[in-house]
Amino acid sequence: QSVLTQPPSASGTPGQRVTISCSGSTSNIGSSYVYWYQQLPGAAPKLLIYRNNQRPSGVPERFSGSKSGTSASLAISGLRSEDEADYYCAAWDDSLSVLFGGGTKLTVL
Amino acid sequence: QAQLVQSGSELKKPGASVKVSCKASGYSFTSYAINWVRQAPGQGLEWMGWINTNTGNPTYAQAFTGRFVFSLDTSVSTAYLNILSLKAGDTAVYYCARASGPTYWFDPWGQGTLVTVSS
Repeated sequence: QSVLTQPPSASGTPGQRVTISCSGSTSNIGSSYVYWYQQLPGAAPKLLIYRNNQRPSGVPERFSGSKSGTSASLAISGLRSEDEADYYCAAWDDSLSVLFGGGTKLTVL
Repeated sequence: QAQLVQSGSELKKPGASVKVSCKASGYSFTSYAINWVRQAPGQGLEWMGWINTNTGNPTYAQAFTGRFVFSLDTSVSTAYLNILSLKAGDTAVYYCARASGPTYWFDPWGQGTLVTVSS
């Protein structure tokens, strides 16, 4: 059981907006930046969002991140079939360990 | 651009050891830490710890103390993960990932190395 809680699954149809939540506590998300990673089927994870809401170059503007208190969210707008993947949130905790959420499998219907 | 290339899949018997390599290119190896992440079959990501490529000092997550050893060969810009006394439960894909240091993000990641432990 992961310390950071994500819904195990999410789904949407092409063009829709989908959000994935990540819930933690004051000792992790509440005192750390949140990061999001995308893992396409059969591939290594890839950085999607860093420092709560920053997009690395090459990541489409359709992906956005936010954080409030001890929770964070990843939003994907204009959903596309190639967005079908597992999404993981991550944060450092007070003991300088990295915590990952359990992952959310996004299905594009 | 920065890239991490890992060694190939391994099939080992219980009790054996395995050494996974992670070769960096496209950046100054000693300017960034290397983290290790495990992903068991069908499961999520689990952080194993990191190694300071400047000092060689490793930090292990609580679940990965004892049989897991991080090391470096800076002359070839390569980090290593050594797993001793392998158990069936060690079967997983192991990833290395670059980070500027504690509290930073992981980017890029290696392609992953599948370690299968089976008699």
